[in-house]
Amino acid sequence: KNQVEQSPQSLIILEGKNCTLQCNYTVSPFSNLRWYKQDTGRGPVSLTIMTFSENTKSNGRYTATLDADTKQSSLHITASQLSDSASYICVVIRDSWGKLQFGAGTQVVVTP
Amino acid sequence: GAVVSQHPSWVICKSGTSVKIECRSLDFQATTMFWYRQFPKQSLMLMATSNEGSKATYEQGVEKDKFLINHASLTLSTLTVTSAHPEDSSFYICSATTIYRGGGELFFGEGSRLTVL
Repeated sequence: KNQVEQSPQSLIILEGKNCTLQCNYTVSPFSNLRWYKQDTGRGPVSLTIMTFSENTKSNGRYTATLDADTKQSSLHITASQLSDSASYICVVIRDSWGKLQFGAGTQVVVTP
Repeated sequence: GAVVSQHPSWVICKSGTSVKIECRSLDFQATTMFWYRQFPKQSLMLMATSNEGSKATYEQGVEKDKFLINHASLTLSTLTVTSAHPEDSSFYICSATTIYRGGGELFFGEGSRLTVL
């Protein structure tokens, strides 16, 4: 069964601290994996897109990793800011035509 | 970057009426558009996939006669919630992709919040 599981479900961190979000998947065939940030009441915004051959990709303070062998990905947020408070969604694209498998998301709250 | 526009951003309607939500790709041709609904504190749930010029493919459990999807052009898809009821109140989001931009990049709209009274 094609599944995407994210952990933790929610996370509270202090401003300035780092955190790591996890995404495990069983989706096959695998095309690519994406991380999105969704602010409350807004549409998701792309952070990173990673294909099978990519291990790490950064976008500012966001760094995603991918281990295609173990089917695990992580999103690391460095020096968190209050504006990082959002839901982070892992999406695995199942084939080149874009069949989507969504994770449930990790709700991150950054406190002063 | 590419922009996907949704309209309206929010809508309130009476039970029994129909509501149409538009999704437009502003600077690219979207061969495929996706429609999702999202309940509070939950992730997006794919409702249907629409390819330009053909009938939408609905996910299991989504009533196609209830949620009418039309993808008449490469830049516009519409979702019509027919005979809306309070349980249809939700956040509806579309996304668009094109195979011409290197691997099916997904661009999301800002969402449309529907409240059915």
